Amino acid sequence: GDSVTQMEGPVTLSEEAFLTINCTYTATGYPSLFWYVQYPGEGLQLLLKATKADDKGSNKGFEATYRKETTSFHLEKGSVQVSDSAVYFCALGSYSSASKIIFGSGTRLSIRP
Amino acid sequence: EAGVVQSPRYKIIEKKQPVAFWCNPISGHNTLYWYRQNLGQGPELLIRYENEEAVDDSQLPKDRFSAERLKGVDSTLKIQPAELGDSAVYLCASSLGTSGGGDEQFFGPGTRLTVL
Repeated sequence: GDSVTQMEGPVTLSEEAFLTINCTYTATGYPSLFWYVQYPGEGLQLLLKATKADDKGSNKGFEATYRKETTSFHLEKGSVQVSDSAVYFCALGSYSSASKIIFGSGTRLSIRP
Repeated sequence: EAGVVQSPRYKIIEKKQPVAFWCNPISGHNTLYWYRQNLGQGPELLIRYENEEAVDDSQLPKDRFSAERLKGVDSTLKIQPAELGDSAVYLCASSLGTSGGGDEQFFGPGTRLTVL
């Protein structure tokens, strides 16, 4: 069945460092891909998404490119801030999965000042 | 615009007791989801509603879990009786329901259930 595998955490970086969180997926058909973020004490919120191959989603300085050939959707940011500390979830939404979103297990990111 | 509202935010109960969670989705959102999120894991879908109809409840443990969405708006998720393994965060989400798997889902803050 459809699944998402993402980089295990926790990930700890210094402020202004470059961030990559890896995500790969297995799916039949052509899924939509998402990154959701969960800040401390808050609910999950959509960070960015891409709906077809080679699309790039971007928001708040984060980017991820839908790579069909490598079945990946890695999250990147050029210069992280303390306020980026959160748990990040990679997810896919596929029509073949009855329109439900399947989430990865999450990666906890901590940024040191 | 108000987001997805859930109550209570926290609940502590003894095993074998019943418990209920309530969700009010964003106005106009036809699709409503209940997820369970275990510690250190991503959310897992329990049930999805399109208006009043439960269209995907394949992951709902029907021996003890039930859900309803009266009039296609608010929803209630119930566990009876609760077991120790039910301790988790229960998330409600809603979406417009217009683009299937590509729909953005909006999540509530969740209810953290602890079963003692």
